[in-house]
Amino acid sequence: GAGVSQSPRYKVAKRGQDVALRCDPISGHVSLFWYQQALGQGPEFLTYFQNEAQLDKSGLPSDRFFAERPEGSVSTLKIQRTQQEDSAVYLCASSLVLRPIFSDGYTFGSGTRLTVV
Amino acid sequence: AQSVSQHNHHVILSEAASLELGCNYSYGGTVNLFWYVQYPGQHLQLLLKYFSGDPLVKGIKGFEAEFIKSKFSFNLRKPSVQWSDTAEYFCAVNAEYGNKLVFGAGTILRVKS
Repeated sequence: GAGVSQSPRYKVAKRGQDVALRCDPISGHVSLFWYQQALGQGPEFLTYFQNEAQLDKSGLPSDRFFAERPEGSVSTLKIQRTQQEDSAVYLCASSLVLRPIFSDGYTFGSGTRLTVV
Repeated sequence: AQSVSQHNHHVILSEAASLELGCNYSYGGTVNLFWYVQYPGQHLQLLLKYFSGDPLVKGIKGFEAEFIKSKFSFNLRKPSVQWSDTAEYFCAVNAEYGNKLVFGAGTILRVKS
């Protein structure tokens, strides 16, 4: 497709459940980012991939969060044993270039809204 | 660590009014600055960015922003807003040419027709 696709669009999880959120970046985009956006806040950086290599995971809030991009295209963000504080919109962004800051930046997806009850 | 502060969380204006959204950042080194916009039901889109040179940058749809280094500010302006400018606006900073953005909390702008 023409944009970054994220699925599911909405996810309700019971506390303690594991969830997996998927991001399909634009074909050929080498850089991929995950951000977490809590209600009323701006997006916060979680992790960054360059192709299949996870170059920065400094923003992952705990060891319950895990991201992968095994073939350098689709990425999955997994959250184990979800807690209420994990409720947020999870945004994926991708870029054609290695240093997206120097281009027109990232193309964001519409996000997955996760609600933990 | 860098942080970004946006002064107003909600702004309501009438059409044709002038707009200024405040943004301050905390970081003493080299920064690149961005404004992103999220229209209702849409994804985040880049409005404009500053890297170097002329501190007054112009973006899409008549928006502009001025970088004032001494004030650590990057305020967004538009002389005359339209109903279609109703959206949430995010200021973001990138430090030392890294790859991640630090966003402010956003300002929700509602333009009354």
